[in-house]
Amino acid sequence: QQQVKQSPQSLIVQKGGISIINCAYENTAFDYFPWYQQFPGKGPALLIAIRPDVSEKKEGRFTISFNKSAKQFSLHIMDSQPGDSATYFCAASPNSGGSNYKLTFGKGTLLTVNP
Amino acid sequence: NAGVTQTPKFQVLKTGQSMTLQCAQDMNHNSMYWYRQDPGMGLRLIYYSASEGTTDKGEVPNGYNVSRLNKREFSLRLESAAPSQTSVYFCASSHGGVGNGELFFGEGSRLTVL
Repeated sequence: QQQVKQSPQSLIVQKGGISIINCAYENTAFDYFPWYQQFPGKGPALLIAIRPDVSEKKEGRFTISFNKSAKQFSLHIMDSQPGDSATYFCAASPNSGGSNYKLTFGKGTLLTVNP
Repeated sequence: NAGVTQTPKFQVLKTGQSMTLQCAQDMNHNSMYWYRQDPGMGLRLIYYSASEGTTDKGEVPNGYNVSRLNKREFSLRLESAAPSQTSVYFCASSHGGVGNGELFFGEGSRLTVL
């Protein structure tokens, strides 16, 4: 059972364009939704995260939009740059309230930004 | 500040051989995790340790064992490697606690089982 579905698998965008990656989840207990960015040969690194008490969070060129009723969230990269070329993973976890966050990851989107 | 350090970075095994992947973090984090990454499959949780002295199974634990040696170190052992365990393995850690869910990943260990 795939609890977090991510699309598209790959995305090609021109420099200056908008990149949009979508995720959908099934588990209504999820209440923490991060996006991770991974460059080749490196481990993933947290890019931006949102909790369901807000519908949008923006950090620089990166924005998460969250639709709780549809159980969907998306990452928008404005003014995409070649340096943004990487694999992006959405993830979700329940807030255990304790000392661990068991993230369930989507399958990833390979973003290529052409100069 | 090294963050999360994994060793070895590369390893080739023959079917049936055993090995241990080592992970250490220097951020005084409570929780540690082992993930595997396969093409088109994303990251899947193998085992995690919420705190020193505890370990729990994740999504794909079969064929693996773990040891939380102390607060800093969390090792992953393959007792009898199989070709299906060819993958890139990532160790991660997090501080934990309400409102702080960021995972910090190591750079990965690429394992090939022939």
